[in-house]
Amino acid sequence: RKEVEQDPGPFNVPEGATVAFNCTYSNSASQSFFWYRQDCRKEPKLLMSVYSSGNEDGRFTAQLNRASQYISLLIRDSKLSDSATYLCVVNGDTGFQKLVFGTGTRLLVSP
Amino acid sequence: DTEVTQTPKHLVMGMTNKKSLKCEQHMGHRAMYWYKQKAKKPPELMFVYSYEKLSINESVPSRFSPECPNSSLLNLHLHALQPEDSALYLCASSPLGQGPEQYFGPGTRLTVT
Repeated sequence: RKEVEQDPGPFNVPEGATVAFNCTYSNSASQSFFWYRQDCRKEPKLLMSVYSSGNEDGRFTAQLNRASQYISLLIRDSKLSDSATYLCVVNGDTGFQKLVFGTGTRLLVSP
Repeated sequence: DTEVTQTPKHLVMGMTNKKSLKCEQHMGHRAMYWYKQKAKKPPELMFVYSYEKLSINESVPSRFSPECPNSSLLNLHLHALQPEDSALYLCASSPLGQGPEQYFGPGTRLTVT
């Protein structure tokens, strides 16, 4: 079983749609969780950290369910510029310094 | 300003060449990382430096040799690479003790011929 699993997509949605991505992780000792966004041939950029209480940043909402070892990202009112690959990331066995990346979920927002 | 810079942007090298990749950050971060990313795959951790000391080596072949001359700089020395080493090499940094978020540089796209 992979340490971090994501649906690879692609998710094709029209502008203005709401889309949700899910991610599961296998290491129950993981303590830090993130969503990164990566555009084609660019570096990953931190989108948001994910906290147990859930957190929101504008159109983006992240949720963490520790009992189910499940992380989600909700994007409301999708924009063309949201088209990218979204990487679910958790800290690995050796603590905070090692991040484990999911394979990413590709989002395509069309006009 | 969360900025990590990397040079060069692109590098083409033969299998007998020696070259170096450079990474710099001025955010006062005390952890720096090298990752390798192949097309359509997530980044794979290669090395971690904490307080200028190598703390993690993910069993990387010795043809890749990291160096951390000071807290702002990280180098990756390359020698006798193979074509399968062609990839995007990403540097990242993080503020130890203040959260594990890592901030990535734009990467060096390496082609080994």
